[in-house]
Amino acid sequence: QITLKESGPTLVKPTQTLTLTCTFSGFSLSTSGVGVGWIRQPPGKAPEWLAVVYWDDDKRYSQALKTRLTITKDTSKNQVVLTMTNMDPVDTATYYCAHRRAWLFDPWGQGILVTVSS
Amino acid sequence: QSALTQPRSVSGSPGQSVTISCTGTSSDVGAYNYVSWYQQHPGKAPKVVIYDVSKRPSGVPDRFSGSKSGNTASLTISGLQAEDEADYYCCSYAGYYILAVFGGGTKLTVL
Repeated sequence: QITLKESGPTLVKPTQTLTLTCTFSGFSLSTSGVGVGWIRQPPGKAPEWLAVVYWDDDKRYSQALKTRLTITKDTSKNQVVLTMTNMDPVDTATYYCAHRRAWLFDPWGQGILVTVSS
Repeated sequence: QSALTQPRSVSGSPGQSVTISCTGTSSDVGAYNYVSWYQQHPGKAPKVVIYDVSKRPSGVPDRFSGSKSGNTASLTISGLQAEDEADYYCCSYAGYYILAVFGGGTKLTVL
């Protein structure tokens, strides 16, 4: 059974850097074709894809946010870390990590609500 | 990349069928057979109900079906049940640099 769980701060100040960790089980990020991605969802709005890292360390980023995002993996710890710089109140959202196989995000973690406020 | 276009809301009575549309472009929905649909209940994470346009994951009732014509994908839910009331989002692959573009979401109300 694949499970993922997000962890990190739930409140950050404007201009700060957000660091989120996804800890997963039930699969290995060294398996060919496998990836882990991050998706965010502002309150009452649609999800937005942010970034994905694959088993071979290939990394893809949302074109709109690529200058602010960094995704890394630690295969031995079964963790993926996302950093987002220069946080703004519009970045307030629930941040999800998800298992990526083929062209699909499935399953997703439970999500973590991050609020950006001074 | 613009979001895919979905109706904001649909409704139906128990036992009826509803269809939710998802309109994209020739660069996303029209270009690839990699459209997925997610169901999201309040306070919960999205859960896939259809992937690769028309495939159902194990455990998803066969009341859920998907299709695509041109730049528009559709999700049909037949034999509506109360537990189907949720938000539904479509999602499409859109190429090497755009792994996923989501629709704006449709709120399904079971009357």
